Amino acid sequence: NAGVTQTPKFQVLKTGQSMTLQCAQDMNHEYMSWYRQDPGMGLRLIHYSVGAGITDQGEVPNGYNVSRSTTEDFPLRLLSAAPSQTSVYFCASSYAGTGNVAFFGQGTRLTVV
Amino acid sequence: GESVGLHLPTLSVQEGDNSIINCAYSNSASDYFIWYKQESGKGPQFIIDIRSNMDKRQGQRVTVLLNKTVKHLSLQIAATQPGDSAVYFCAENNAGNMLTFGGGTRLMVKP
Repeated sequence: NAGVTQTPKFQVLKTGQSMTLQCAQDMNHEYMSWYRQDPGMGLRLIHYSVGAGITDQGEVPNGYNVSRSTTEDFPLRLLSAAPSQTSVYFCASSYAGTGNVAFFGQGTRLTVV
Repeated sequence: GESVGLHLPTLSVQEGDNSIINCAYSNSASDYFIWYKQESGKGPQFIIDIRSNMDKRQGQRVTVLLNKTVKHLSLQIAATQPGDSAVYFCAENNAGNMLTFGGGTRLMVKP
């Protein structure tokens, strides 16, 4: 059972480039979410989804897009990368109705130069 | 806005001692709290949770205490081991679908 899988693990982008961070889960969880983690800080919610076809903004959504065409996948798109988006990104999934214990992927370390 | 926070950014303990990591929350509507452990280079990992109708919950070597009067949450680790060295986060679910995380406390275990 793979759990939550994120790719890539590391990525370097130039300012202005776009890319997609991939996230897949095999636990049939309804809820999926994306967080960013900056040095010395906790996790901040970017976007989340409560089911296929449904997405919503979190605390820091600007500069990011998401879609949820299937239960398993929840990609995060950076439209035009900026140095301020240098961070570690975590994808998480959780069951509906369990109080939302989130299971996290291993993270993607993104550097924008 | 309302948030979850931590008192101490770094906690250093001797191997074998007990550790106590604290967390303050400000949203009185929060009904569910979770502690996560994050090791270097890895994603957060669930440790233990507690609902707002409880004051205490115990796991293997870990205990979570909830004091709703002062909006305080703590994680106690008994007989701390080197493998417990990590950053610990508290998180709250304030009756919504998603979690709000605190800033994290780094636990360092000295041999």
